[in-house]
Amino acid sequence: GDSVTQMEGPVTLSEEAFLTINCTYTATGYPSLFWYVQYPGEGLQLLLKATKADDKGSNKGFEATYRKETTSFHLEKGSVQVSDSAVYFCALSRNTDKLIFGTGTRLQVFP
Amino acid sequence: DTGVSQNPRHKITKRGQNVTFRCDPISEHNRLYWYRQTLGQGPEFLTYFQNEAQLEKSRLLSDRFSAERPKGSFSTLEIQRTEQGDSAMYLCASSLGFRDRGRSEKLLFGSGTQLSVL
Repeated sequence: GDSVTQMEGPVTLSEEAFLTINCTYTATGYPSLFWYVQYPGEGLQLLLKATKADDKGSNKGFEATYRKETTSFHLEKGSVQVSDSAVYFCALSRNTDKLIFGTGTRLQVFP
Repeated sequence: DTGVSQNPRHKITKRGQNVTFRCDPISEHNRLYWYRQTLGQGPEFLTYFQNEAQLEKSRLLSDRFSAERPKGSFSTLEIQRTEQGDSAMYLCASSLGFRDRGRSEKLLFGSGTQLSVL
């Protein structure tokens, strides 16, 4: 069945460092891909999405490109801030709102 | 718009007791989802309503679990005879979907109900 694999955390970075969180998926066809973020004490929020191969989703300085050839959707940010500290979830769906999530990656950014 | 509201935020119960959680979606949203998130894992789909109709249930939803959305507005999730393995964060999400489209434009999550079964 469909699945999502994320790199394990925590990822610990200094402010202004470059961020990459790896995400790969297993699915037939062309699912839609998402990154969600969960700040402490808050609900999941959609960060960005891509619905077809080679699409790039972007928001708040974060980017991810849908790579069909490597079945990947890695999250990147050029310069992280302390306020980016959160848990990041990669997810996929097949033309529905039913999402399959990865296990999440905790990001900790220190000043 | 106050977002998706879930109550209670925290629930501690003894094994064998019944618990009920409530979710109030965005008022105009016709779709409502329940997910479960255990520690260190991503959320897992439990069930989905379109208006008052429960259209899909995961095999994770054992017969001890029941979800309702009687008037197509708020929803309740009841767990009977709780077990320690039921300890998790229960998340609700809602969206506005159209019959001829599978995926809605914006799925919004609540902050969840944290259940601890002692």
